[in-house]
Amino acid sequence: GAGVSQSPSNKVTEKGKDVELRCDPISGHTALYWYRQSLGQGLEFLIYFQGNSAPDKSGLPSDRFSAERTGGSVSTLTIQRTQQEDSAVYLCASSPIGRIQETQYFGPGTRLLVL
Amino acid sequence: AQTVTQSQPEMSVQEAETVTLSCTYDTSENNYYLFWYKQPPSRQMILVIRQEAYKQQNATENRFSVNFQKAAKSFSLKISDSQLGDTAMYFCAFMMSGNQFYFGTGTSLTVIP
Repeated sequence: GAGVSQSPSNKVTEKGKDVELRCDPISGHTALYWYRQSLGQGLEFLIYFQGNSAPDKSGLPSDRFSAERTGGSVSTLTIQRTQQEDSAVYLCASSPIGRIQETQYFGPGTRLLVL
Repeated sequence: AQTVTQSQPEMSVQEAETVTLSCTYDTSENNYYLFWYKQPPSRQMILVIRQEAYKQQNATENRFSVNFQKAAKSFSLKISDSQLGDTAMYFCAFMMSGNQFYFGTGTSLTVIP
């Protein structure tokens, strides 16, 4: 497809389990962002990939969260030992260059529910 | 399908002046929420203002206010007394029940000293 895609669209898991969320950015976009949207909260920046540079992990809330981007394209956000407070919508966005003023194209999000 | 359109990719405003950012959306839903987010160079997305579709009164947060026209499916953001710190990307967003978000492509606002 032409846009950013994310899978799964919904994920229900039990507390303590690991989950993997996938993001397919727009082809050719070098910058990729992960955000978290908790209920009633604003978007929270998690991590940023730009080309082959080391990712900016400054937004990751704990060491249970990690992300990788293989081949400069697909990205996976992994949450280990999930907690109920991890329940949120996880949004991925990509942009062509990565300057902050560049338009970001968001995916539809993955809604995670931790029981 | 739900869509959000921001037709102004870039805008500029003189410091202390007022600027309005436009946003239109398309939905068949009746209950939904609308948001404006600001993304400064720190990259952290900041919620600026929120509007519930069932409320007729326009939301206001200090220097930020919206003009919500439900019938026209329009949700513009007015920034009064613009400050240098308002320079950022602004995203309009639409959310249905169930937390599914739809975002516009953003408007880059520059406040000129």
